[in-house]
Formats: sequence, structure tokens, C-alpha cells
Amino acid sequence: GQNIDQPTEMTATEGAIVQINCTYQTSGFNGLFWYQQHAGEAPTFLSYNVLDGLEEKGRFSSFLSRSKGYSYLLLKELQMKDSASYLCAVKDSNYQLIWGAGTKLIIKP
Amino acid sequence: ETGVTQTPRHLVMGMTNKKSLKCEQHLGHNAMYWYKQSAKKPLELMFVYSLEERVENNSVPSRFSPECPNSSHLFLHLHTLQPEDSALYLCASSQDREVQPQHFGDGTRLSIL
Repeated sequence: GQNIDQPTEMTATEGAIVQINCTYQTSGFNGLFWYQQHAGEAPTFLSYNVLDGLEEKGRFSSFLSRSKGYSYLLLKELQMKDSASYLCAVKDSNYQLIWGAGTKLIIKP
Repeated sequence: ETGVTQTPRHLVMGMTNKKSLKCEQHLGHNAMYWYKQSAKKPLELMFVYSLEERVENNSVPSRFSPECPNSSHLFLHLHTLQPEDSALYLCASSQDREVQPQHFGDGTRLSIL
């Protein structure tokens, strides 16, 4: 079966750095997405990786290793507004998005 | 972002009621999706439409019936739902089904009494 694993919950301190990991097992691979979802709001697109390596976008970076079936989302200089759930999703060989259950990130002052 | 609009935001209904959820996208996208989001579970894809034609139906019970009258509008018709259908129903759209990211609406919080 197809599976996406990510931690259920993480806690970090304002101003610090946090890394949210995602491992996947899917039928084929056509890219990996990270989304942010604040409570009661829509998921919003953060990043897309299809080749191995690091994609940097401001305070957020996303890394992909296709051979290891592994990705991480790195958040720097954490702010209170970064408290949200972070969803990892992979497009399989049929271009269907397979979703993880999300990682709830709690930022403490 | 107001590119994808869903109404209503909240809906409470009895098991014998019939209601519809509405989704409208103002992004000129060609694909639209319905998802179910339950607490601490992955998003579940329910239906996919591409250029107004249904391309996927992930074994969703017949009490959920989608309708896509044009590329900007998507409906989810509900009838004789069960308590386990209580969830957040999210609509999304994308330029294509292959590589472009999906843009989501804020969802309809559905509660079945």
C-alpha cells in the first residue's frame, strides 16, 4: 500500500529552527509537496520538490532524497504565526496526491 | 487567499436531510477536487474533475454525489448521511492534475446529528 509518515506533533521555541521529517512509500513518484494549515483554515502551498536536493524559499526550505523516500521541511527563525499543521503529500505514478496525516507544530515563546 | 470559495462554512444536518456544498474557483483552473478531512487523519480524496469530466471516484458511498456544471463550479450533494460523515470537506483546484499545486478553499465543517 501507499504510505506517508510524519510525526504527529512537535514543539519548538520562538526564534529557533525546527525540522519536520516525512518518509514515503508510493507507487511511483511525481513530486512531493508541503502545505501549511492553520486551525480552521485552508491548507496553503509551501513548496514542491521533484529532484533531489534543497529548495529554499525565505525562512522555509524543503529537502528531498528520492532514493531514501525522505523529505524534510526546515523552518528557521520561528515566529508564533508558524504554529500550524504541516502536511506532506506525494504525487504517485497516476498523479494522485497521497497525503500524510500532518504534523502539528506548537511554537512557545 | 480568496481564489477558492466554499459555502456554507458550517452545516449541521440530520441523517434524513438533503443538502449541497458549493465550491467556486476564480483562478481559471482546469481541475477541481473534493476532499474529506477528519481529525488526525490524512486528507481523503473523494472526487476529481478535469475539464468538467469526472476522472476519479475513490470508492465514495453513493450518499455523496458530485456535480461539476462548468470549470469554475463544483457541488457535493448530500443525502441520508451517517454520523461518521461528520468532518471538514475541502474543495481544491489546480491548473492541471500533473504537477501544479492545488489551491484549497476554507472548507465546510459538516456535523451530522
